[in-house]
Amino acid sequence: DAGITQSPRHKVTETGTPVTLRCHQTENHRYMYWYRQDPGHGLRLIHYSYGVKDTDKGEVSDGYSVSRSKTEDFLLTLESATSSQTSVYFCAISGTGEYEQYFGPGTRLTVT
Amino acid sequence: EDQVTQSPEALRLQEGESSSLNCSYTVSGLRGLFWYRQDPGKGPEFLFTLYSAGEEKEKERLKATLTKKESFLHITAPKPEDSATYLCAVGSSGGYNKLIFGAGTRLAVHP
Repeated sequence: DAGITQSPRHKVTETGTPVTLRCHQTENHRYMYWYRQDPGHGLRLIHYSYGVKDTDKGEVSDGYSVSRSKTEDFLLTLESATSSQTSVYFCAISGTGEYEQYFGPGTRLTVT
Repeated sequence: EDQVTQSPEALRLQEGESSSLNCSYTVSGLRGLFWYRQDPGKGPEFLFTLYSAGEEKEKERLKATLTKKESFLHITAPKPEDSATYLCAVGSSGGYNKLIFGAGTRLAVHP
């Protein structure tokens, strides 16, 4: 299994509170991704990173920000959580020149 | 616009009853067709990559094939442990190692 961990694995929070999810990899891969997975929508890309301090938006980036200060860590922040952000969040990694992505175990986030 | 459509949404099979899952796609500059398996409560697990029409890959009871417009995941004599959601994705030249995912097919294999 790819060395990817996500924390926390489960979180319940209230509307309007900030939330940060963490992805940690031990593979030294250049690319890291954050997806959300919702019934009927499949996996949708939120943000991705192509190196330390290099990030860009995906298709559903509104309300989310990311940071990558080290190769191994990629943080996803919900500045002010809303109920529409209740979802399962997956982190993924891939190597340079590789399209194959390897996924973490996911974080189930519930915003009440 | 890059798009991936999987069918059927759900499939119920009896153990030993072979079938196929479909993944049709439109993409600007295909950079590979990827199949994943996802068990409930877990992250997607990589199965196969196909790069060109006519290519085939096999793993145990699974065989993936690729044409210019679609891919099939053939499941031969499935067992209950093959029950999972199968996801298809295409690599697009439109972004950094960008993958476009379909919504998946939920497969249930009953004894």
